[in-house]
Amino acid sequence: EPEVTQTPSHQVTQMGQEVILRCVPISNHLYFYWYRQILGQKVEFLVSFYNNEISEKSEIFDDQFSVERPDGSNFTLKIRSTKLEDSAMYFCASQKTSSYNEQFFGPGTRLTVL
Amino acid sequence: QKEVEQNSGPLSVPEGAIASLNCTYSDRGSQSFFWYRQYSGKSPELIMSIYSNGDKEDGRFTAQLNKASQYVSLLIRDSQPSDSATYLCAVNMWEGGSYIPTFGRGTSLIVHP
Repeated sequence: EPEVTQTPSHQVTQMGQEVILRCVPISNHLYFYWYRQILGQKVEFLVSFYNNEISEKSEIFDDQFSVERPDGSNFTLKIRSTKLEDSAMYFCASQKTSSYNEQFFGPGTRLTVL
Repeated sequence: QKEVEQNSGPLSVPEGAIASLNCTYSDRGSQSFFWYRQYSGKSPELIMSIYSNGDKEDGRFTAQLNKASQYVSLLIRDSQPSDSATYLCAVNMWEGGSYIPTFGRGTSLIVHP
């Protein structure tokens, strides 16, 4: 069964460094999402992406963040100048079409900022 | 602020019982509702989606939606210890020109043998 994959599973970085989190969505899906979940807290929407551009973004998704689909398969989240409070699980999700709203999540990347 | 509210629990039920999980949401215009299961340290796994008022059944799971009361629930019949997890309610809410997925904090379910 097709699934969303994410790499790395765990990323440790120093405060102020840039990180790139990678996702491979399900191949025939058209809508892509990034979410964040700080330990013990709820899943928070960051950004949605469709047709090679951002569809929506939350207040969390400020200039520190960017997304890209550099080729036909990968979907990346870049976090510049990381802060301690960026430490969280980051989940990628994909959705087949706008009519079918079910989203399928990847296993997540645990980001630890020291 | 548009919110999805869930009782954090834990909800403890004996094996074989029915577990009832509840969720309320603030946006009356919401049209799409989802239940996810999340094991500790893992990603959310979609269990059910529901779009119309009433009940929707899938195996041991039944989702119930009442848009007038802005209420959605999940029933788990014949609960098993493997059902022990956090259950997340998610609602697509209208925000800034499109629907944004909004999650509740989740309800922790413990099924004891």
